[in-house]
Amino acid sequence: QKEVEQDPGPLSVPEGAIVSLNCTYSNSAFQYFMWYRQYSRKGPELLMYTYSSGNKEDGRFTAQVDKSSKYISLFIRDSQPSDSATYLCANCYSSNDYKLSFGAGTTVTVRA
Amino acid sequence: DTGVSQNPRHKITKRGQNVTFRCDPISEHNRLYWYRQTLGQGPEFLTYFQNEAQLEKSRLLSDRFSAERPKGSFSTLEIQRTEQGDSAMYLCASSLESSGTPYEQYFGPGTRLTVT
Repeated sequence: QKEVEQDPGPLSVPEGAIVSLNCTYSNSAFQYFMWYRQYSRKGPELLMYTYSSGNKEDGRFTAQVDKSSKYISLFIRDSQPSDSATYLCANCYSSNDYKLSFGAGTTVTVRA
Repeated sequence: DTGVSQNPRHKITKRGQNVTFRCDPISEHNRLYWYRQTLGQGPEFLTYFQNEAQLEKSRLLSDRFSAERPKGSFSTLEIQRTEQGDSAMYLCASSLESSGTPYEQYFGPGTRLTVT
């Protein structure tokens, strides 16, 4: 069993829709939870990170972590064609940890 | 733009040949990482440097793989006697230890290796 499971999609939504992305993880020792965005032929870029359970909002993006159910989510409001990318969830154990465990990524297409 | 750069961007090689990739991290970043990403999968950790010291190697990094970071600046990843299973995107990332956020890793565009 992989440490981080992510629905690979693909996901296609019309412009302006809310995009909902989810991951589950198996190791309760994970403390930090990240979302990376990867455009085609590019390296991943850090979008958001959260520590412990709760919500974090940044503009049109909201990250949620539920440590009791080992479930992390990313919501994109008012989606734009420029949001079309692969979204990768990632976890690490502590603030000293450097070894990120990534999900497989969900490919999102926002149709104009 | 002084982001992470990787060369070459693409490499096609025949099975059994040796290949070497180069990564130039963001200049002030003292931590450097190599990941491998296959189609439809997320990046998988390969190895990690703090300055010039290689501090961890994944079990994914067989004896045919070697990485160096002389003088704590650029890094090279060499694959000897390539196999078709080595075909993947090789990603380099860097981060700043003093940032307190080691998970905030900045990735390069990757080197896509195809072994025929």
